[in-house]
Amino acid sequence: DADVTQTPRNRITKTGKRIMLECSQTKGHDRMYWYRQDPGLGLRLIYYSFDVKDINKGEISDGYSVSRQAQAKFSLSLESAIPNQTALYFCATSDSGTGGYGYTFGSGTRLTVV
Amino acid sequence: GENVEQHPSTLSVQEGDSAVIKCTYSDSASNYFPWYKQELGKRPQLIIDIRSNVGEKKDQRIAVTLNKTAKHFSLHITETQPEDSAVYFCAAGDSWGKLQFGAGTQVVVTP
Repeated sequence: DADVTQTPRNRITKTGKRIMLECSQTKGHDRMYWYRQDPGLGLRLIYYSFDVKDINKGEISDGYSVSRQAQAKFSLSLESAIPNQTALYFCATSDSGTGGYGYTFGSGTRLTVV
Repeated sequence: GENVEQHPSTLSVQEGDSAVIKCTYSDSASNYFPWYKQELGKRPQLIIDIRSNVGEKKDQRIAVTLNKTAKHFSLHITETQPEDSAVYFCAAGDSWGKLQFGAGTQVVVTP
């Protein structure tokens, strides 16, 4: 589903480097989310945004920051990457008009910090 | 906040048999319970969902049941096929529209 696009798809970076993961959507949804997936831990919420001026921390926001540049764009930054941030990252969107529950996920970004 | 527990973490079934995955949640205010299927290397995709005013919902070979009193819900897959092999996630939605996910169940269907 190309409605939610994440870039890059894969990235290897060094410890201490700053890295940005980008998410853009054409679904017209107002809500956007960043999750990370680790084996055996499921999908954990990092940050979420219910509109352009609304940014909220999730359960594991330490070490991350976000920017909602427009309704369609939501970026996740790792200011100083560390190895335990190696994970699969998913962006998701939903529409408050339908209750906000119908998540559409992007294809994911596999990040490796060495 | 909401906490969702999912069991089992892995499930092996013979093709044609049924598979059942169970989840419990902690927040009695949760009112939406979706199930996502994630195939290897792919994104999670919604396969079925249920709202708190409904006890059971079916869609072909899959069904979800909800017990609000006990705060648990389950996914049932009947007549399993090899293409059902995937990781399945349950989730609980709070009144703000955020989803809290379980840890996932790896389902393997063997021919």
